[in-house]
Amino acid sequence: GAVVSQHPSRVICKSGTSVKIECRSLDFQATTMFWYRQFPKQSLMLMATSNEGSKATYEQGVEKDKFLINHASLTLSTLTVTSAHPEDSSFYICSARDSGASGGRRSSYEQYFGPGTRLTVT
Amino acid sequence: AQSVAQPEDQVNVAEGNPLTVKCTYSVSGNPYLFWYVQYPNRGLQFLLKYITGDNLVKGSYGFEAEFNKSQTSFHLKKPSALVSDSALYFCAVRDMISNTGNQFYFGTGTSLTVIP
Repeated sequence: GAVVSQHPSRVICKSGTSVKIECRSLDFQATTMFWYRQFPKQSLMLMATSNEGSKATYEQGVEKDKFLINHASLTLSTLTVTSAHPEDSSFYICSARDSGASGGRRSSYEQYFGPGTRLTVT
Repeated sequence: AQSVAQPEDQVNVAEGNPLTVKCTYSVSGNPYLFWYVQYPNRGLQFLLKYITGDNLVKGSYGFEAEFNKSQTSFHLKKPSALVSDSALYFCAVRDMISNTGNQFYFGTGTSLTVIP
């Protein structure tokens, strides 16, 4: 089945530093990936849509310069939290949509979610 | 605008009893509806979806959901709950109207606890 991985699964960083989170589609190509943020006991909030080879589309209220997204290949998108602060501590989840280029029969209606990354900023 | 509502933050059910997790939706056009489950500190796992066809959709782990157009609902059900079903459940609708064509809108989630 479709597998999306995230690395790291957990990260602790000091305030003011930057941290990069990777999202990979392991067995399919994804022209579009999505980054979500989830606070404890709350729903997922879409942060941005990552498009391969072009700039990400950010949701209203999400700082582009703080949450840098790069989608340099069909299987990898990265989210960099710059100058992290304790309020950035959250669970970050990515998802990917099969572009169909890999020739699989995977449904194009679904999004396949990564396992999430728990970021703690101290 | 597309949205889903999960009116219950918490659902408790005894093991072996049937369970229902409620979801209502509001969409422009035909709804593409999904249910996902999330275990602690884990990502979302797909349970089932409704795109078209039969109103009763069967999914993973014995779950099913019934699409009801007149009530704009898509409730998740299981005939006999297991303790291992205890998790956070999210209803979602996919936006097929906007120019993104990909965005999911999630409900606020319902925490299911199955009591042994």
